Amino acid sequence: DTGVSQNPRHKITKRGQNVTFRCDPISEHNRLYWYRQTLGQGPEFLTYFQNEAQLEKSRLLSDRFSAERPKGSFSTLEIQRTEQGDSAMYLCASSSGARQGPQYFGPGTRLTVT
Amino acid sequence: GESVGLHLPTLSVQEGDNSIINCAYSNSASDYFIWYKQESGKGPQFIIDIRSNMDKRQGQRVTVLLNKTVKHLSLQIAATQPGDSAVYFCAEIYNTDKLIFGTGTRLQVFP
Repeated sequence: DTGVSQNPRHKITKRGQNVTFRCDPISEHNRLYWYRQTLGQGPEFLTYFQNEAQLEKSRLLSDRFSAERPKGSFSTLEIQRTEQGDSAMYLCASSSGARQGPQYFGPGTRLTVT
Repeated sequence: GESVGLHLPTLSVQEGDNSIINCAYSNSASDYFIWYKQESGKGPQFIIDIRSNMDKRQGQRVTVLLNKTVKHLSLQIAATQPGDSAVYFCAEIYNTDKLIFGTGTRLQVFP
């Protein structure tokens, strides 16, 4: 399968714990995006990378959130001191780099904070 | 599995009929648009895209129409099938690379 992959698919954690998600983009895609989706809503942009450089971060991305893409391939999204409001589907997408080009999404990681 | 779009607008069509899903986008400066299909528990799946210098683009069984005057997009699905049942989102890009998603529409196909 050469699509975008995300791990884990589901994560249940207790409030206050830290969690980390991984995204592997389509190979040779140099742009990688993180979105968050809550029930009944469309995905909301969090941040994106071109190669290893983080080019934009949403105001939704509080200081408890950090994303990295150290070698320009896979990316990780970490949430520290999770809160119940962090419960959502975290989606990763990748694109070839052309601004007007499709972003292809992975299956997402469903986070539940209890 | 989880349910995407619990309280979304719903379009119900009979199998074999054509479906038209509408979307109003927010920014007149948007220059690129994408339609996504999302099934329950899955990530959005790319269907078709269109640039702002076009009015119409066709794919396999799908057509996207863009009316920039009224900031309106539509997705037409020909000969709708049960496998088309899902939530459909339009998304726009302007100024940066981030997608701005519209309110989804749930498509239900009945026999």
